[in-house]
Amino acid sequence: DAGVIQSPRHEVTEMGQEVTLRCKPISGHDYLFWYRQTMMRGLELLIYFNNNVPIDDSGMPEDRFSAKMPNASFSTLKIQPSEPRDSAVYFCASSLPVSGGAYEQYFGPGTRLTVT
Amino acid sequence: GQQVMQIPQYQHVQEGEDFTTYCNSSTTLSNIQWYKQRPGGHPVFLIQLVKSGEVKKQKRLTFQFGEAKKNSSLHITATQTTDVGTYFCAGINTGTASKLTFGTGTRLQVTL
Repeated sequence: DAGVIQSPRHEVTEMGQEVTLRCKPISGHDYLFWYRQTMMRGLELLIYFNNNVPIDDSGMPEDRFSAKMPNASFSTLKIQPSEPRDSAVYFCASSLPVSGGAYEQYFGPGTRLTVT
Repeated sequence: GQQVMQIPQYQHVQEGEDFTTYCNSSTTLSNIQWYKQRPGGHPVFLIQLVKSGEVKKQKRLTFQFGEAKKNSSLHITATQTTDVGTYFCAGINTGTASKLTFGTGTRLQVTL
């Protein structure tokens, strides 16, 4: 089992540039989550999908952020245009619900984004 | 919105000492989960608690869920250097079974 795969692992870009982060969930998992982690704000849920459909995007900070899940094995998080305050570690996680609505999330290794 | 706070933010112990982190939610939870994140790593699931007053043990780790399902704790007995990391609780509200709200985390440092 390869686990959740994220790419790139590190991204350094200049303010104003477009950034695309990629995620491949664990095969068979039908929930996919995007999180952002910073020292100031901790671990925040940005958006999550169920069966490729966005369920809750209330955590997406603003219109500069967008996420897609075109199929069960791939998702992207795009920031356009990027700003220095977007610098953070972005995690993708996936899960498969178990009985009673309880589940565990499997996190990818994260993408460390630096916007200069 | 829902808030999940943890105390302390940071704790430094000597190997062999005990450690406890406390998690408090502003709302009643249906379930609570605990995750551990090693420095430079990603969160890794430890356990889930579902029932009011539930207590679960994993070797030296003891997890409790409060009677009112608004708080939880993680206690580590006789810490080891391998316990170093940040421990997060994550709450699930009734009706939002797929959405976790992570706590602020407690960073544990263990020295010899």
